[in-house]
Amino acid sequence: EVQLVESGGGLVQPGRSLRLSCVSSGFTFDDYAMYWVRQAPGKGLEWVSGITWNSGIIEYADSVKGRFTISRDNDKKSVYLQMNSLRADDTALYYCAKGTSYSKSPDDYWGQGTLVTVSS
Amino acid sequence: EIVLTQSPGTLSLSPGDRATLSCRASQSVTSNYIAWYQQNPGQAPRLLMYGASSRVTGIPDRFSGSGSGTDFTLTIDRLEPEDFAVYYCQQYHSFPFTFGGGTKVEIK
Repeated sequence: EVQLVESGGGLVQPGRSLRLSCVSSGFTFDDYAMYWVRQAPGKGLEWVSGITWNSGIIEYADSVKGRFTISRDNDKKSVYLQMNSLRADDTALYYCAKGTSYSKSPDDYWGQGTLVTVSS
Repeated sequence: EIVLTQSPGTLSLSPGDRATLSCRASQSVTSNYIAWYQQNPGQAPRLLMYGASSRVTGIPDRFSGSGSGTDFTLTIDRLEPEDFAVYYCQQYHSFPFTFGGGTKVEIK
């Protein structure tokens, strides 16, 4: 059974940093691209970042480019999101999602999300 | 960035009705790299369709997708009670990937 478990969310002040983690199980992690998608309270889905199987392609939404960094550790079957210079509009539930292939692909499995609240 | 516009914002229908959801892209989505997701309150999204018209294993055949270029449609025949949810389209052709704003299918 595929499982994705996010952690690292919490309450953080504007301008500070947070690192999200997503540990996976139930599939061959290094065969697939991984993504982060967020959802602000009561709002729609926003694609945040993606990383291909070998970290060869890394991409970001314009809203987080230069502030967020995605990475993965295939040995630990984990993907990470380092979030710096956090702003109030980064407040959201952050989902980790598995792609359906090693590169550009939709997301066939999602975690339950970790909540990030940016507030003073 | 490819902007996806979903319409209508809300669809009020009865069980047994047909739902037709639209997703329009600001530029052509090559290879029809459009996916559709369903999201119920308090739950993570679930992938329904990919490649505009391919159904994910286990998704009922009352769900179908169509379209090409800039105009895509998700059709749900004979709405079941569990189909009342929010639906999102996504393009995964060009980075950054983008989602539409969603269509809520509610019980009339």
